[in-house]
Amino acid sequence: QKEVEQDPGPLSVPEGAIVSLNCTYSNSAFQYFMWYRQYSRKGPELLMYTYSSGNKEDGRFTAQVDKSSKYISLFIRDSQPSDSATYLCAMNSGNTPLVFGKGTRLSVIA
Amino acid sequence: EAGVVQSPRYKIIEKKQPVAFWCNPISGHNTLYWYLQNLGQGPELLIRYENEEAVDDSQLPKDRFSAERLKGVDSTLKIQPAELGDSAVYLCASSLGGGRANVLTFGAGSRLTVL
Repeated sequence: QKEVEQDPGPLSVPEGAIVSLNCTYSNSAFQYFMWYRQYSRKGPELLMYTYSSGNKEDGRFTAQVDKSSKYISLFIRDSQPSDSATYLCAMNSGNTPLVFGKGTRLSVIA
Repeated sequence: EAGVVQSPRYKIIEKKQPVAFWCNPISGHNTLYWYLQNLGQGPELLIRYENEEAVDDSQLPKDRFSAERLKGVDSTLKIQPAELGDSAVYLCASSLGGGRANVLTFGAGSRLTVL
């Protein structure tokens, strides 16, 4: 079993839809959870950063962490065609290398 | 402010040839990373530098890969000789230390094709 599991999709939604992206993990020592967005032929860019359990909201984006279930989510409200990208979850236990998921490819159709 | 700069963006070589990638991190970022990203996969760490020191290179295939970070700023990643399986995107990232160590800024990547 991989440390971080992420459904690669692809996921296709109509413009304005609510998108839910998820990752599960096996290492209970993970404390820091991130979501990166990667456009085609670009490097990943940090979208959301959370520590331990709970929710964090930034505009149309909400990150949720449930450490008891080892499950993290990213919600995108009112999705736009410009949100079309690959979304990578990443996590670590502090000063250890980030472990990335495979990424979920999202297409938002106008 | 310029982001993380990588070159070349694209490189096509024959197998067994050498190749080198260059990275200029964000000014003031002491930590520099090289990641490998295969198609449809997430980035995987190859090596991490704290200033000039390589502090995590356990995933670097040292028989053919080498890296250096002279003067704690720019870094180069070299592959010699390249194999077909090395075709991938090589990403460089940098971060501040301390409480911002997890906040990585990535470059656009160097896409290698080995024929």
